[in-house]
Amino acid sequence: EAQVTQNPRYLITVTGKKLTVTCSQNMNHEYMSWYRQDPGLGLRQIYYSMNVEVTDKGDVPEGYKVSRKEKRNFPLILESPSPNQTSLYFCASSRAQGVAGRRNEQFFGPGTRLTVL
Amino acid sequence: GEDVEQSLFLSVREGDSSVINCTYTDSSSTYLYWYKQEPGAGLQLLTYIFSNMDMKQDQRLTVLLNKKDKHLSLRIADTQTGDSAIYFCAESIGGTGGSYIPTFGRGTSLIVHP
Repeated sequence: EAQVTQNPRYLITVTGKKLTVTCSQNMNHEYMSWYRQDPGLGLRQIYYSMNVEVTDKGDVPEGYKVSRKEKRNFPLILESPSPNQTSLYFCASSRAQGVAGRRNEQFFGPGTRLTVL
Repeated sequence: GEDVEQSLFLSVREGDSSVINCTYTDSSSTYLYWYKQEPGAGLQLLTYIFSNMDMKQDQRLTVLLNKKDKHLSLRIADTQTGDSAIYFCAESIGGTGGSYIPTFGRGTSLIVHP
């Protein structure tokens, strides 16, 4: 089954304790992305990656790191989490280059709800 | 998200039609999408329209595209409580130089009440 998986699904942590949220896709997609979703602010992009070893900042990258050592994995790292990073996080993947005449669907993981105390 | 704008909330009565609106800025958009996020879940593609079309209908869903005004809408006929969700508009740019990667709006929360 084609899917994007994220772990953990729920996490409660304390300020300053480093954490990693994993993301994996089995569709051989080049493009992967992290978003955070907050009430009243909607969906905002944190970081994205066009391919292995190629990452770039999205709209709200401060306080986050990513890496793309393998095509299927795109972990999100919070080196020193703070309460303002309490949010719902989504990983997504898609092809990086479209095929003429075909839509490019982005597939989303189920989300990780993070609470930083 | 700033290239694609949509209002944050819409409330309708069960059985009425819902119309969710979206505006986008890039006139070279090739595909325009509607994604649906049900409570507690990730986003899933609901429907899409190619930029050379004005309208697309799929059962209770009608997508209208006004390229001149850069306006996209999603109409849900006979709205049911199960349609309560957040609906995201997205655009992608194809062709030479286009990445085909969708850019998302911030989402419209559709609330359906009895």
